[in-house]
Amino acid sequence: QPALTQPASVSGSPGQSITISCTGTSSDVGNYNLVSWYQQHPGKAPKLMIYEGHKRPSGVSDRFSGSKSGNTASLTISGLQAEDEADYHCCSYAGDYTWVFGGGTKLTVL
Amino acid sequence: QVQLVQSGAEVKNPGASVKVSCKASGYIFNNYVIHWVRQAPGQGLEWMGWVNGGNGDRKYSQNLQGRVILNRDTSASTAYMELSSLKSEDTAIYFCARVDGSGHAFFDYWGQGTLVTVSS
Repeated sequence: QPALTQPASVSGSPGQSITISCTGTSSDVGNYNLVSWYQQHPGKAPKLMIYEGHKRPSGVSDRFSGSKSGNTASLTISGLQAEDEADYHCCSYAGDYTWVFGGGTKLTVL
Repeated sequence: QVQLVQSGAEVKNPGASVKVSCKASGYIFNNYVIHWVRQAPGQGLEWMGWVNGGNGDRKYSQNLQGRVILNRDTSASTAYMELSSLKSEDTAIYFCARVDGSGHAFFDYWGQGTLVTVSS
């Protein structure tokens, strides 16, 4: 069982906004501002989209944003585009130099 | 440009061992930590552990403790993941990924992945 809980799937129409949740515990998500999000297209390696909860790497669209409340982190994608269809994975530092991932969420753009 | 290039696909019998390499280029190998992450078919990502490119320190996931060994060869800028006593559940794509050694906690570059298939 993945340590972090994500919805298995979410969907939205082009132009809409969606939010993917990532629920952990007070030992990981809730204790550190070190959640990152990764986009993964089929057959490809994951790509960093958000780090330290809300920061975007250079080159990542500002349509992607991250936030956290308590033990739950969230990834919001606004202005959905067809190219956003992919799997999204959250990850958190969990203390003692260990990391944990969520089970991944499949985003479908209708 | 930063690149992590992994070795090719492997097919192994149950009980055997596998060793996957991850060759880094485009940055100073010693300044970063290499993590290993695996993904079983149709599943999410699972963190396996890390090896410090500079001092060789390492940390393993409790789930794999005792079966996984992470090493690095600084002269070759290459990290290695060896997994022993393979089971069918170890069938997965294995990724290496880089983390800044100065206290950051995110994976900014990833290898292309290595498929390991465990089957008799």
